[in-house]
Amino acid sequence: AQTVTQSQPEMSVQEAETVTLSCTYDTSENNYYLFWYKQPPSRQMILVIRQEAYKQQNATENRFSVNFQKAAKSFSLKISDSQLGDTAMYFCAFMKLGGSNYKLTFGKGTLLTVNP
Amino acid sequence: DAGVIQSPRHEVTEMGQEVTLRCKPISGHNSLFWYRQTMMRGLELLIYFNNNVPIDDSGMPEDRFSAKMPNASFSTLKIQPSEPRDSAVYFCASKGAENQPQHFGDGTRLSIL
Repeated sequence: AQTVTQSQPEMSVQEAETVTLSCTYDTSENNYYLFWYKQPPSRQMILVIRQEAYKQQNATENRFSVNFQKAAKSFSLKISDSQLGDTAMYFCAFMKLGGSNYKLTFGKGTLLTVNP
Repeated sequence: DAGVIQSPRHEVTEMGQEVTLRCKPISGHNSLFWYRQTMMRGLELLIYFNNNVPIDDSGMPEDRFSAKMPNASFSTLKIQPSEPRDSAVYFCASKGAENQPQHFGDGTRLSIL
């Protein structure tokens, strides 16, 4: 079974600064996807970024980028130029590839507050 | 494009009552997932369907919970009888091809008094 650990229950950052959220996972699988989802106070679950395990290049989406270290089983999210709208709970998630079971395993989440 | 649509958005009812939550997945998606989110346990997968067939229901807490997917565009999660500990936000998500992510609905906030 897979496990996902987010060791920072809460973080805060000043507007316009950069912040990094940590995520580690444990799996014996070789083919998988990793995701970061954002849940703002409106409670929607919004996909922020995803990474295929077979790709060495780190994924980027505008101000969001990841540092994927497969050997270390680490998948951190960097938010550059933080904005007030980035305030949300952030969840790291794992999905195994192959077979017919596409379920996501989520971490407990990190509550990020962006301060003006 | 329409996303995953859940109804109702909020539900408040008394314990013992039957509760039915509804979900319309994104058209063309063939996998559908029901999650429960609480402060104590975070996001838990309850059940998921592939091509309308339940694949993994190991997360369904007990016999009071049941889920159906009669066709590719509709699913229900039913709780009967409901209890206060069922109070949570329930999310539905759908997914297309293997390498595609899950897309979530806005959730139903359920309060059992």
